[in-house]
Amino acid sequence: QKEVEQNSGPLSVPEGAIASLNCTYSDRGSQSFFWYRQYSGKSPELIMSIYSNGDKEDGRFTAQLNKASQYVSLLIRDSQPSDSATYLCAVIVGGGGADGLTFGKGTHLIIQP
Amino acid sequence: SAVISQKPSRDICQRGTSLTIQCQVDSQVTMMFWYRQQPGQSLTLIATANQGSEATYESGFVIDKFPISRPNLTFSTLTVSNMSPEDSSIYLCSGDEGYTFGSGTRLTVV
Repeated sequence: QKEVEQNSGPLSVPEGAIASLNCTYSDRGSQSFFWYRQYSGKSPELIMSIYSNGDKEDGRFTAQLNKASQYVSLLIRDSQPSDSATYLCAVIVGGGGADGLTFGKGTHLIIQP
Repeated sequence: SAVISQKPSRDICQRGTSLTIQCQVDSQVTMMFWYRQQPGQSLTLIATANQGSEATYESGFVIDKFPISRPNLTFSTLTVSNMSPEDSSIYLCSGDEGYTFGSGTRLTVV
């Protein structure tokens, strides 16, 4: 069973603080991991992908991957009200070829001014 | 990353009818993927389309309901057949270059 788990929230974070979003996955063979941001009524926007253990930084966003513990996280530094959205974790389950994404249910993030 | 364009962006359809959604990618991709996002839900993979072969459908989705074409490396279509109100969703496509999405197709079945 392919499973990607996220806390649905809402997660409320004060403006300027670090927002931490977590995601766990069940298939140990998964190799590719993605974070998307989705505003209400809009399609998902790719924030970043990560494939190797460790941290990957892009501007205010840092993705962290720990394959041994089967979790991937997204940190948002200096959170802004415009970061308020639903954040979707997605995984390519299994290790072979080009496959579709399995999504978590998403975490609703609220940045409080 | 590939830029994805979908048409139509939205439609309101009568139950029992069919709608074909087009997906265009600005670069060649090996695989194209179709997803459904039901109201208030996350995305669910419908099928994977590879040029020159039949699409591969995920559990719970069948070709008779969601026929897919993939005539070349930059284009695919998804048809939602014999629609019911339960098919009201956002339909999204993606390619295996960058895994980005376009604006999607918002379908309402009445």
